[in-house]
Amino acid sequence: DVKVTQSSRYLVKRTGEKVFLECVQDMDHENMFWYRQDPGLGLRLIYFSYDVKMKEKGDIPEGYSVSREKKERFSLILESASTNQTSMYLCASSLGGNSYNEQFFGPGTRLTVL
Amino acid sequence: QKEVEQDPGPLSVPEGAIVSLNCTYSNSAFQYFMWYRQYSRKGPELLMYTYSSGNKEDGRFTAQVDKSSKYISLFIRDSQPSDSATYLCARVSYGQNFVFGPGTRLSVLP
Repeated sequence: DVKVTQSSRYLVKRTGEKVFLECVQDMDHENMFWYRQDPGLGLRLIYFSYDVKMKEKGDIPEGYSVSREKKERFSLILESASTNQTSMYLCASSLGGNSYNEQFFGPGTRLTVL
Repeated sequence: QKEVEQDPGPLSVPEGAIVSLNCTYSNSAFQYFMWYRQYSRKGPELLMYTYSSGNKEDGRFTAQVDKSSKYISLFIRDSQPSDSATYLCARVSYGQNFVFGPGTRLSVLP
């Protein structure tokens, strides 16, 4: 059974704090993704990675960075959290290559920045 | 104009009704279409995918694509309370470029 896990379901942080969101997949997938999900806006891609130590900016990378030191783990970092980063954060993974592979999602982390 | 648009709902129907969920998209590039279902406090999970124009059926679910109109539909027959969820359509371009719609929240009332 495929599995994508995220380190926290709920997180409350203060403005200016550095925040780490962790994602782990056990499917040996090459691709990993970070999205944020906001009402009325749907899922927006922040960053993705198609290989270890590789990363690509998505549609809204400002204020975020990522790290992929191991194939199974993809971390999202908020260097200095701000209130407009309050959101649901979803991690996903998929097989590599350029084919249209299903993305498997984690349960999400609901982050509140006060 | 957003690349993929959906009516956010909420849509409420009685149990047993036929549900029609719709998306429109603006980019005509070579692409694939997927429907994801997201239950409350869970991540999205793939429901169906389709590439060509026409219908694709899977049990009570039918996905329909009309590329000439840039219109995607998901039909649910004999809807059940367990179908209550948010439904996200996604346009997928070559190279894993997913663009999601904002989702339609569906409630099926017993």
